[in-house]
Amino acid sequence: GAVVSQHPSRVICKSGTSVKIECRSLDFQATTMFWYRQFPKQSLMLMATSNEGSKATYEQGVEKDKFLINHASLTLSTLTVTSAHPEDSSFYICSARPGLTGELFFGEGSRLTVL
Amino acid sequence: QQPVQSPQAVILREGEDAVINCSSSKALYSVHWYRQKHGEAPVFLMILLKGGEQKGHEKISASFNEKKQQSSLYLTASQLSYSGTYFCGTESGGSYIPTFGRGTSLIVHP
Repeated sequence: GAVVSQHPSRVICKSGTSVKIECRSLDFQATTMFWYRQFPKQSLMLMATSNEGSKATYEQGVEKDKFLINHASLTLSTLTVTSAHPEDSSFYICSARPGLTGELFFGEGSRLTVL
Repeated sequence: QQPVQSPQAVILREGEDAVINCSSSKALYSVHWYRQKHGEAPVFLMILLKGGEQKGHEKISASFNEKKQQSSLYLTASQLSYSGTYFCGTESGGSYIPTFGRGTSLIVHP
């Protein structure tokens, strides 16, 4: 089946630094990718929809300048957490699908810990 | 708007059955079901696209009542491997962006 790869799976950084997380669709092209944040034992909170070749669409309450999303190609989207703080520590997951609708394929997730 | 899942948690013994419900205040055109193990990404179970549709194999199946804007996931003769958090994701109103419920934690004991 289709595969979405996310990297890194774990990252620890110091407060004030920036962290980049990559999401790649390995065997299909995706004009749209989704970025989620998940707190322990909670739901997948959609942060933004990443659109290839155009600006990302952010959900209400998500800081655009803090969570920079770039969808450089049909197989790669990146999420950069800028000037990270401990409250940004979380599990970040991306998803993508070959078409406009249908099954979502999730990346493995990235656990960010900000010290 | 987030779909509502119930119950929040289910504890079962192997071999018992469970039903997880998902309802929305919006008209739906698709419902997705995923299972997530601790520390891992969600894994797709099935998607229902039409009202009245039922899908799945004999042990894990789902139904979609378009009129009631509800879906149910049926887990029959549960196995230890069924443990995890189950999420429903819904799409509605021309927005091709799935929105997920808060999840239902399922624990299956031997």
